[in-house]
Amino acid sequence: AQKITQTQPGMFVQEKEAVTLDCTYDTSDPSYGLFWYKQPSSGEMIFLIYQGSYDQQNATEGRYSLNFQKARKSANLVISASQLGDSAMYFCAMSRIYNQGGKLIFGQGTELSVKP
Amino acid sequence: DSGVTQTPKHLITATGQRVTLRCSPRSGDLSVYWYQQSLDQGLQFLIQYYNGEERAKGNILERFSAQQFPGLHSELNLSSLELGDSALYFCASSPPSGTVGTDTQYFGPGTRLTVL
Repeated sequence: AQKITQTQPGMFVQEKEAVTLDCTYDTSDPSYGLFWYKQPSSGEMIFLIYQGSYDQQNATEGRYSLNFQKARKSANLVISASQLGDSAMYFCAMSRIYNQGGKLIFGQGTELSVKP
Repeated sequence: DSGVTQTPKHLITATGQRVTLRCSPRSGDLSVYWYQQSLDQGLQFLIQYYNGEERAKGNILERFSAQQFPGLHSELNLSSLELGDSALYFCASSPPSGTVGTDTQYFGPGTRLTVL
């Protein structure tokens, strides 16, 4: 069975600083994808970044990067130059990929607060 | 805006009633997923459809049912509602198998259901 663990219920970061949100996962599938989603207080789920289990390079999308350490089964999200608008819940998720059934398994989330 | 639409945004109803949640996937996407987000259970996968056919089933109660129509929009029907069914219900869609980004799910804004 797949499992996602996010151990930081809440985090604070100063505006313009970088922050790392932790995510560890467990799976026996060789092919899997790791995702990060952002959920602002308005409730929508916004896709941020994706990393495939076979990808050699860490994924990056603008100010977001995913620090993928396969041996440690970790997929931490790094947000550089934090902005006030980054305050939100962040969810790490995983799924099987390559047409094997794509349901997402989510962690419990980390609430990030950016201080001015 | 993810391109996934959901109606209604809010729904308030009484115990024992039946409601229908509607979802239109992004243009070109064939997969539709339904998720439930509640305070005690977190984000849980309910069911997936691919091009009109049920592809995977998660923790979906027997009182709940879903379908995907030939135009690819989908409905989630919830019946004999209980207080515990109060939650945020998300629909997500993903691109067809074999296309770029097929494993990424894009979420709609959600329907907030309140059962009184």
